[in-house]
Amino acid sequence: NAGVMQNPRHLVRRRGQEARLRCSPMKGHSHVYWYRQLPEEGLKFMVYLQKENIIDESGMPKERFSAEFPKEGPSILRIQQVVRGDSAAYFCASSLQGPTGELFFGEGSRLTVL
Amino acid sequence: DAKTTQPTSMDCAEGRAANLPCNHSTISGNEYVYWYRQIHSQGPQYIIHGLKNNETNEMASLIITEDRKSSTLILPHATLRDTAVYYCIVRTANTGNQFYFGTGTSLTVIP
Repeated sequence: NAGVMQNPRHLVRRRGQEARLRCSPMKGHSHVYWYRQLPEEGLKFMVYLQKENIIDESGMPKERFSAEFPKEGPSILRIQQVVRGDSAAYFCASSLQGPTGELFFGEGSRLTVL
Repeated sequence: DAKTTQPTSMDCAEGRAANLPCNHSTISGNEYVYWYRQIHSQGPQYIIHGLKNNETNEMASLIITEDRKSSTLILPHATLRDTAVYYCIVRTANTGNQFYFGTGTSLTVIP
């Protein structure tokens, strides 16, 4: 039973380029969450999605960031025109639908912006 | 925003019980207490959760005070691999509600 799969594990981009991070939730999980962790800081919630719907994007920066979770395929976090401040670890988590819904996290994607 | 208060760091001798406290004085009746840990920049790992009764699983025990304003995570026999940042989170039992991670407690298990 594979866990949450994230790729790429490491991504290097130059300022102004685009970064795309992918997340495949655990089998049977229809809820996906994205978190960002800046160096030496805690995890910050970004966005919560169910299949084809964004449920809560209150943690997403207003510009350059977008997320989707299509009917088929992985969830994608897209960062346009990256800046150095976007360098961070981006973690995806998934959960089953249910009353307690504990999260299962992937190993993260580490973005470095040069 | 996180609704919990935890010590910044703690040490524990290998083989001893590690007791990690968490204050959540504003917890409401339908909010659960969850514990996660993050080992050296890996993805956070679920440990345990509870509502009002004490809980135990293969990893840890969770002791929640009767007024539910604080709790303690107990790792009964700490090993070096338990060195991690431990996060205490309160959250309503609703899949749509997010987990907000605070700064957690950095636990160092000492040989």
